[in-house]
Amino acid sequence: AQSVTQPDIHITVSEGASLELRCNYSYGATPYLFWYVQSPGQGLQLLLKYFSGDTLVQGIKGFEAEFKRSQSSFNLRKPSVHWSDAAEYFCAVERRNNDMRFGAGTRLTVKP
Amino acid sequence: GAVVSQHPSWVICKSGTSVKIECRSLDFQATTMFWYRQFPKQSLMLMATSNEGSKATYEQGVEKDKFLINHASLTLSTLTVTSAHPEDSSFYICSARGRGQHSPLHFGNGTRLTVT
Repeated sequence: AQSVTQPDIHITVSEGASLELRCNYSYGATPYLFWYVQSPGQGLQLLLKYFSGDTLVQGIKGFEAEFKRSQSSFNLRKPSVHWSDAAEYFCAVERRNNDMRFGAGTRLTVKP
Repeated sequence: GAVVSQHPSWVICKSGTSVKIECRSLDFQATTMFWYRQFPKQSLMLMATSNEGSKATYEQGVEKDKFLINHASLTLSTLTVTSAHPEDSSFYICSARGRGQHSPLHFGNGTRLTVT
């Protein structure tokens, strides 16, 4: 079955430190992969997406993600975290029938 | 850019009443709309998929008689929570996709439903 796994429920980093949020997927075909961010009580904002081509994709707010087929991973990274990056982050995979399945989410806390 | 408007953003209702949530695509024709439910501190769970002019397809475990979905036009889908109970309190999010295989999925800002 298709699934998305985010191993880390909660991550705390210091402001200015680098960040990596993990995402692993299980999908039979080449997946379409996404990262979304959600602030409390808010909807989702798309950070970046991967359909095909260059495996390193750049997104908004200084985020990037790398698709690694051999590891079935699509980890999100940011070189220097800002306090405003504190939020919930969701990895998602788009299935063949075009609906989207989400990971459990990773809550990011940023220490001053 | 494409925008999906979801209304209301929050609603409080009494047990036993029904609540309608609207999801509109403002500048594109949404051939497919998806409804998600999100409990506090949890992920989004797909409830149903609706295609314009046809019946919605519900995910396993979602009561179709309780969560009525109507996608009557290419710009509007509604989710009606019938005979609401406190356990229906949740954050409901819609998303919409236009025509074309790789057309992006746009999300509404969600509706916070509280049933008292």
